[in-house]
Amino acid sequence: EAAVTQSPRNKVTVTGGNVTLSCRQTNSHNYMYWYRQDTGHGLRLIHYSYGAGNLQIGDVPDGYKATRTTQEDFFLLLELASPSQTSLYFCASSDEGGDTEVFFGKGTRLTVV
Amino acid sequence: QQQVRQSSQSLTVWEGETAILNCSYENSAFDYFPWYQQFPGEGPALLIAIRSVSDKKEDGRFTIFFNKREKNLSLHIKDSQPGDSATYFCAASRGGNTGKLIFGLGTTLQVQP
Repeated sequence: EAAVTQSPRNKVTVTGGNVTLSCRQTNSHNYMYWYRQDTGHGLRLIHYSYGAGNLQIGDVPDGYKATRTTQEDFFLLLELASPSQTSLYFCASSDEGGDTEVFFGKGTRLTVV
Repeated sequence: QQQVRQSSQSLTVWEGETAILNCSYENSAFDYFPWYQQFPGEGPALLIAIRSVSDKKEDGRFTIFFNKREKNLSLHIKDSQPGDSATYFCAASRGGNTGKLIFGLGTTLQVQP
């Protein structure tokens, strides 16, 4: 079974703070994704990547950077966190693109106070 | 605007009934339609998926009915069980290596014993 591990699982930071969310997948998947989940908005794609060093912009990228350092590791960076970025963040991976099964991590709950 | 719409935010059925969750989409280029199931505290997980060349896909108690002309689909959960209580996301993509899966806002299903 595909494994996607996110850390930390919970994070509280202050407005203007610097946050890095980490994700590792151990199934040699090509694609990795960062989503945010908010009540009333469902799951929204922030950034995604189809390989190490590659980055593609998603649907809600403002205020976020991402970096894919290896096949396994994908990071989401919030350099000046704002309360509007309080959310549940999911990392996910898939072998190919949008028409193959996407495997999600358990999520990171981020609160910006 | 929402490219994938789920008609109900929530749905309650009794144990043993058939739950019907409806979904519609805007983009005629979408050709892959998965449903994801999410339990509290977990990430979404693929439940069942259909491609636009088919009008029906069945997997145990779960069936997708797809109408390409009307651009809508529905997920039927036969003999609903309390363990089916979860949030269900309809999603769509254009297929191929486009890397983007578009999610609806989700329908939270409650199955009453």
